[in-house]
Amino acid sequence: GAVVSQHPSRVICKSGTSVKIECRSLDFQATTMFWYRQFPKQSLMLMATSNEGSKATYEQGVEKDKFLINHASLTLSTLTVTSAHPEDSSFYICSARADYGYTFGSGTRLTVV
Amino acid sequence: AQSVTQLDSHVSVSEGTPVLLRCNYSSSYSPSLFWYVQHPNKGLQLLLKYTSAATLVKGINGFEAEFKKSETSFHLTKPSAHMSDAAEYFCVVSLPNQAGTALIFGKGTTLSVSS
Repeated sequence: GAVVSQHPSRVICKSGTSVKIECRSLDFQATTMFWYRQFPKQSLMLMATSNEGSKATYEQGVEKDKFLINHASLTLSTLTVTSAHPEDSSFYICSARADYGYTFGSGTRLTVV
Repeated sequence: AQSVTQLDSHVSVSEGTPVLLRCNYSSSYSPSLFWYVQHPNKGLQLLLKYTSAATLVKGINGFEAEFKKSETSFHLTKPSAHMSDAAEYFCVVSLPNQAGTALIFGKGTTLSVSS
């Protein structure tokens, strides 16, 4: 089945630094990738939708200059958290729509100290 | 606008008893609905999905859900709970937007199973 590989699974960074999260579709072409954020004991909130070769569409309240999304190829989408702060600590998950349905990455737990 | 409401934030059952996790949806047209499960510190796993075919949908691990348009509900059930069913469950609806069709998650229901 369709698999999305997400890396890293866990990252700890210092305040003010940037962190890049990668999602790769391994056996299919992901024209559209979705990025979600999940705070502890809360649900997944859609942050943005990225389409290959075009600018991402951000949900209301999500800062596009802080959460940079690049979808330069049909198999790779990246989310960069710029100038990270402790309040950005969260679980970030990507998702892509394959022929049979949606598939999710395994998630990245970001801790900003 | 489309959304889902999970009516219970926490459900506790005993092993071997039935499970009922409730979900209501609001949609201006016939939606695609899903149930996902998330075990602690793990990713998401699709339990089942409804996409306008049979209204009673059977999923993995003995779970099933029934789409009831008259009640705008998509409740998840299982006849007999196992300890391994303890997890977070999300009712999800697909939402087309100008960029694509994203999945919108309910707030989740924590299922606890006691022995």
